[in-house]
Amino acid sequence: EDQVTQSPEALRLQEGESSSLNCSYTVSGLRGLFWYRQDPGKGPEFLFTLYSAGEEKEKERLKATLTKKESFLHITAPKPEDSATYLCAVQAVGAQKLVFGQGTRLTINP
Amino acid sequence: NAGVTQTPKFQVLKTGQSMTLQCAQDMNHNSMYWYRQDPGMGLRLIYYSASEGTTDKGEVPNGYNVSRLNKREFSLRLESAAPSQTSVYFCASSELAGGNYGYTFGSGTRLTVV
Repeated sequence: EDQVTQSPEALRLQEGESSSLNCSYTVSGLRGLFWYRQDPGKGPEFLFTLYSAGEEKEKERLKATLTKKESFLHITAPKPEDSATYLCAVQAVGAQKLVFGQGTRLTINP
Repeated sequence: NAGVTQTPKFQVLKTGQSMTLQCAQDMNHNSMYWYRQDPGMGLRLIYYSASEGTTDKGEVPNGYNVSRLNKREFSLRLESAAPSQTSVYFCASSELAGGNYGYTFGSGTRLTVV
């Protein structure tokens, strides 16, 4: 069974304090790993797709990396507007759906 | 650019009542999905439609039915609501089955069953 575990559940940082969020996954064969951002009261918003170990993608202060067992979302010099819940999801080869982790709630204090 | 539109945004039902959650997308996407989101449980797939005319069960289909009315619309029906169905429901769509380019989500329907 495909599984996704995210850690930590919640993270508080000061503005400018860099850190990383973890997504560990178990999947029979990885077709893709996805990162989403979710603001309170809204639907998740797509950030990145990673397909193979060693791949990296960046968007503003966010960088996602992928290994064979986990993915990291690195946040460099975060700002209060980066506060949100970050969701990780995997898609197995041959599957037509994504399996989501429980998310990491990130709070950036000014 | 409406994207994925869900109605209603909020709903309170009494146990045993029925209702239909509506979802429409204007991006000409082939695949559509219904998820529920509960605290500590993450997003769980209820039903999905890989293409117009097909529907399949997800992880938690019991108590729900779906209809892919046309390429744009995918509705979720609760025939006899139960308190356990209190949740936030999200509809999503993707260009290809499985979402190679990511899902586009609606803003959600917050449902309370009393």
